[in-house]
Amino acid sequence: AQSVTQLDSQVPVFEEAPVELRCNYSSSVSVYLFWYVQYPNQGLQLLLKYLSGSTLVKGINGFEAEFNKSQTSFHLRKPSVHISDTAEYFCAVSDMGTDKLIFGTGTRLQVFP
Amino acid sequence: SQTIHQWPATLVQPVGSPLSLECTVEGTSNPNLYWYRQAAGRGLQLLFYSVGIGQISSEVPQNLSASRPQDRQFILSSKKLLLSDSGFYLCAWSAGSRETQYFGPGTRLLVL
Repeated sequence: AQSVTQLDSQVPVFEEAPVELRCNYSSSVSVYLFWYVQYPNQGLQLLLKYLSGSTLVKGINGFEAEFNKSQTSFHLRKPSVHISDTAEYFCAVSDMGTDKLIFGTGTRLQVFP
Repeated sequence: SQTIHQWPATLVQPVGSPLSLECTVEGTSNPNLYWYRQAAGRGLQLLFYSVGIGQISSEVPQNLSASRPQDRQFILSSKKLLLSDSGFYLCAWSAGSRETQYFGPGTRLLVL
């Protein structure tokens, strides 16, 4: 069965510093990859997705992620974070041709002034 | 544009009571619909998904059931709630297979 591992449950960082949130998946077949953000007491909002093509994907709010097939990773990065980026971030994977998303356990990004 | 609604936003229920959570989607037709649960400190777990009216697939055996009485309406129910049913319930929709899923605002359920 597929699984998604988000290695860091919490990532504290100061404002304007760079950040990387790590995500690894277990599937050996072709997959689609997603990052979602959840602000407190809200639903999930899509940040970015990888379906095919360029391995570097740019999303909203200045985030980007790089698909690395050999390492089965899809790490999320931002060169300079803001206080407003404080939220929970979820990585998700689905096999091509299915509707099911498998989510990681999430990483709480806490940005300090 | 498409929007997804969930209600209620928050619910506190006693153990053994029934449950009905509703999700509706506007601005699209024949969407795929999903129910997820997010327990404290854990990721999202897919509970049910539906590709059409009356078509429900269950992912996890449990105390809950789902129904889709109309094209853009998805209902999550229980006859008798358990303490372990507490959590944040999210509804999502997609335009079809392999399409992005879009999430509603969620319902926070506390079973006491």
